[in-house]
Amino acid sequence: GAVVSQHPSWVICKSGTSVKIECRSLDFQATTMFWYRQFPKQSLMLMATSNEGSKATYEQGVEKDKFLINHASLTLSTLTVTSAHPEDSSFYICSATLSGQGGYGYTFGSGTRLTVV
Amino acid sequence: AQRVTQPEKLLSVFKGAPVELKCNYSYSGSPELFWYVQYSRQRLQLLLRHISRESIKGFTADLNKGETSFHLKKPFAQEEDSAMYYCALRVSSGSARQLTFGSGTQLTVLP
Repeated sequence: GAVVSQHPSWVICKSGTSVKIECRSLDFQATTMFWYRQFPKQSLMLMATSNEGSKATYEQGVEKDKFLINHASLTLSTLTVTSAHPEDSSFYICSATLSGQGGYGYTFGSGTRLTVV
Repeated sequence: AQRVTQPEKLLSVFKGAPVELKCNYSYSGSPELFWYVQYSRQRLQLLLRHISRESIKGFTADLNKGETSFHLKKPFAQEEDSAMYYCALRVSSGSARQLTFGSGTQLTVLP
């Protein structure tokens, strides 16, 4: 079945530095990838929708200059948290839709635990 | 804007007992609803979707448009059903089709 690989699974960084999270679709082409953020004991909150070859669409309240999303190919999307601060510490999850598929075509990555110290 | 509500954060039942995880939604359009499950230390995965009207691992969910609900049910819970369950609503927004998640219900099936 469809697999999405997300890397790294966890990262600790110093405040003020930038962190890049990768999301790869391993055996399918993902025309659309979604980035979510999940705080402890809370639901997944959609941050942005990324379409291959075009600019990401950010949800209201998400700073596009802080959370840079690049979707340069049909198998790779990256989320870069720039100038990270402790309040950016969270669990980030990507998901990808299979090209041409309907709603059941969402496949999720295993998530990245970001801790900013 | 669309919204998904799962009123129970925690739910515990005994093995063999029936279980129902509640989900209500608000959306002005025609909804597409899903249940996702996340087992301990595993990634989120699709359990079932209302369009297919299927039963997966003994779970079923019926869309009730009158009550705007999509409750997840299983007649006899098993210990391996213990997991976090998320109800999700899909909307169309331009060329993207986004999922809106409920807050999740942690199901614990006791031996």
